[in-house]
Amino acid sequence: RKEVEQDPGPFNVPEGATVAFNCTYSNSASQSFFWYRQDCRKEPKLLMSVYSSGNEDGRFTAQLNRASQYISLLIRDSKLSDSATYLCAVNTLFYSTLTFGKGTMLLVSP
Amino acid sequence: DAGITQSPRYKITETGRQVTLMCHQTWSHSYMFWYRQDLGHGLRLIYYSAAADITDKGEVPDGYVVSRSKTENFPLTLESATRSQTSVYFCASSSSGELSGANVLTFGAGSRLTVL
Repeated sequence: RKEVEQDPGPFNVPEGATVAFNCTYSNSASQSFFWYRQDCRKEPKLLMSVYSSGNEDGRFTAQLNRASQYISLLIRDSKLSDSATYLCAVNTLFYSTLTFGKGTMLLVSP
Repeated sequence: DAGITQSPRYKITETGRQVTLMCHQTWSHSYMFWYRQDLGHGLRLIYYSAAADITDKGEVPDGYVVSRSKTENFPLTLESATRSQTSVYFCASSSSGELSGANVLTFGAGSRLTVL
């Protein structure tokens, strides 16, 4: 099992739709979890951290399921501007570093 | 300007040549990182540094050398570039090693390297 796995997509959704991504991780000792957003040919930018109790930031909700070792990202009321690749990141191999999934591509259409 | 900057943004070189990618941050962050991003592999950690003069290997360190004589700079050198090192290289930094909601990894804009 790879350390951090994501469905590459693409997820094609219409504007206004709700879409959810999952990301599984293999190291049960992982402590920190994040979602990053990456636009084409740009650097990854932090979207949100994922807290144990789950957290919400506007239309975005992140959740952590330690028992099943996955994190999720829910996007409500999708906008065209949400089209991007979403990377999950987990601290695994080394305490001070993050291991990234390969990303899930989201395409929001009019 | 404050932040993390990488140079050059684009570089084309030939097999066997030495290439150095520069990374400079103005936040006085202790930790700095180099990742490479390739289709099919995602972001992979090359090297990281916890402080000046302290560096450690990441997942894919072979063929790369790093140094950190000053806190703000973390250059990555390809001593003899190979075609397999064609990639986009991202530098990142964080204020401490305990990555959390309050202390996150921030990336530079990337350096796109092509080795012919």
